[in-house]
Amino acid sequence: DGGITQSPKYLFRKEGQNVTLSCEQNLNHDAMYWYRQDPGQGLRLIYYSQIVNDFQKGDIAEGYSVSREKKESFPLTVTSAQKNPTAFYLCASRGAGETQYFGPGTRLLVL
Amino acid sequence: DAKTTQPPSMDCAEGRAANLPCNHSTISGNEYVYWYRQIHSQGPQYIIHGLKNNETNEMASLIITEDRKSSTLILPHATLRDTAVYYCIVRGPSGGSYIPTFGRGTSLIVHP
Repeated sequence: DGGITQSPKYLFRKEGQNVTLSCEQNLNHDAMYWYRQDPGQGLRLIYYSQIVNDFQKGDIAEGYSVSREKKESFPLTVTSAQKNPTAFYLCASRGAGETQYFGPGTRLLVL
Repeated sequence: DAKTTQPPSMDCAEGRAANLPCNHSTISGNEYVYWYRQIHSQGPQYIIHGLKNNETNEMASLIITEDRKSSTLILPHATLRDTAVYYCIVRGPSGGSYIPTFGRGTSLIVHP
């Protein structure tokens, strides 16, 4: 099946720990995005990548890092510098058309 | 990209039409209107989009006013599974740098 997968579904982080959220797509899309969603809120853009080996900061990039070494993969690392990481994280991709396709999300909780 | 305004919440009886409005008074001539929805604890799902003409697909209809300053998403026969947050987004034409913005959307509750 074509689509976007995110893993894990739930992730627990201890204080001072870095954690990495996985995002993989087999849609052959160039552009990929990471969003953060807090309860009752809209989606806020963390990072985006228009092409392999290139990425740009979004509105709330502080405390996060990404890489785009392969077209299919756009992992997000939540670093210890992110003081309030508890949220729902969504990955999306977009091909030549304008429609974004979203993954199922990862819920990050702090222990 | 133009900003949009949506009511925070709406409700609808099952089997009736759900009409979700969106205001985009600053839209430019080449900007499209997109609608997505997000069922609780899932990723958003594309519904429909349009430029000037009304559009219909298997999920919904999109009615865009003649001046393009507002639009309405219509779910013709709402079911309980249509309970979700609906996002209206306005964005530029293909080929440009695309950084979509999702506001709080409209929380639609379909009741029996």
